[in-house]
Amino acid sequence: AQSVTQLDSQVPVFEEAPVELRCNYSSSVSVYLFWYVQYPNQGLQLLLKYLSGSTLVKGINGFEAEFNKSQTSFHLRKPSVHISDTAEYFCAVTLSYNTDKLIFGTGTRLQVFP
Amino acid sequence: NAGVMQNPRHLVRRRGQEARLRCSPMKGHSHVYWYRQLPEEGLKFMVYLQKENIIDESGMPKERFSAEFPKEGPSILRIQQVVRGDSAAYFCASSRQGGFMNTEAFFGQGTRLTVV
Repeated sequence: AQSVTQLDSQVPVFEEAPVELRCNYSSSVSVYLFWYVQYPNQGLQLLLKYLSGSTLVKGINGFEAEFNKSQTSFHLRKPSVHISDTAEYFCAVTLSYNTDKLIFGTGTRLQVFP
Repeated sequence: NAGVMQNPRHLVRRRGQEARLRCSPMKGHSHVYWYRQLPEEGLKFMVYLQKENIIDESGMPKERFSAEFPKEGPSILRIQQVVRGDSAAYFCASSRQGGFMNTEAFFGQGTRLTVV
């Protein structure tokens, strides 16, 4: 069975500091990878996705993620965070042969302090 | 173009009552997905519908839960005889085409169901 693990349930960080949100997945078949963000009182919004090609993917709001097949990871990074980045971040995968379902991790709460 | 609209945002039901959750997809979107988020867990797939058809309901509990997406009107997730374990946030997403790879899906704000 496929699964997504986000080990950090909360990540506190000061404004303008770099941040990395970790995501590891487990799957016996090829997957596509996604990061979603949920701002307070809003729905989930797609940050970025990896389908194929370059393993470094750039998304909205200055975020990027790197796909590492050997480590089955897809960590999300931002070199300098802003207060407005405070939100819940979800990593997700779909199976390459069935892209109708997203399998989500439990989420990481990023809290940016001034 | 309004986003995916879910209502109500919060719903309180007593054990044994029925809960009806509504999801209006974005304009032009004919694919709808329902997900459930239990406390301290990630979102779990429940059902995937296309206008008037259930495409995949492999994530739906076998009893008490049903979903529809009629030709006209919103998609409805119906939970009969609710129990405390049904308390969760229910999210709906819509897309223009099927599959999260081919097209971007947009999520609603969710309905928080509390069973007392």
